[in-house]
Amino acid sequence: AQTVTQSQPEMSVQEAETVTLSCTYDTSESDYYLFWYKQPPSRQMILVIRQEAYKQQNATENRFSVNFQKAAKSFSLKISDSQLGDAAMYFCAYSHHRGANSKLTFGKGITLSVRP
Amino acid sequence: EPEVTQTPSHQVTQMGQEVILRCVPISNHLYFYWYRQILGQKVEFLVSFYNNEISEKSEIFDDQFSVERPDGSNFTLKIRSTKLEDSAMYFCASRMDIWPLHFGNGTRLTVT
Repeated sequence: AQTVTQSQPEMSVQEAETVTLSCTYDTSESDYYLFWYKQPPSRQMILVIRQEAYKQQNATENRFSVNFQKAAKSFSLKISDSQLGDAAMYFCAYSHHRGANSKLTFGKGITLSVRP
Repeated sequence: EPEVTQTPSHQVTQMGQEVILRCVPISNHLYFYWYRQILGQKVEFLVSFYNNEISEKSEIFDDQFSVERPDGSNFTLKIRSTKLEDSAMYFCASRMDIWPLHFGNGTRLTVT
């Protein structure tokens, strides 16, 4: 079974600085997707960024980028120029490539606070 | 941009009562899911649904739970006899053949 591990329960960053959130996963599949979701206090689940395992290039979305290390099964999220609105819970998630039996498996999440 | 819509946003029910949580997935999506999040904890998979049948269900999804897509647009989760431990945020989600998963805003279920 696939597992996703986020070992840091909380992190804090100064506004305008950079923070990295860690995630590791375990799978025997070679083709899969990885995601970071943001959950603000409203408890919506907002997709931040995604990475296809077959792509070697790390995904970026504006201030958000990932460091995807397939051999190490590591998928960290870097937030640059942190803003107060980035304060939220962040979940790392994994899915098989496609198919009806494919589902999203989440890590436990990390609470990020941003200090003004 | 199309959205997954969930109603109600908050439901309060008494232990032992039946509750139905409603979802309208994005119209051209093919795969439908329910997830649950107990306050402050991880998001847990409950069930996936494709081609009018359950594709996969978790250990949590016991005989008290059922899902239905009655009319081609709605996707419902029914809990037959609620327990206190069913109190949680319930998320509906849908996707096309490709990822990502699009989530609704959730229904907060409180069982008293």
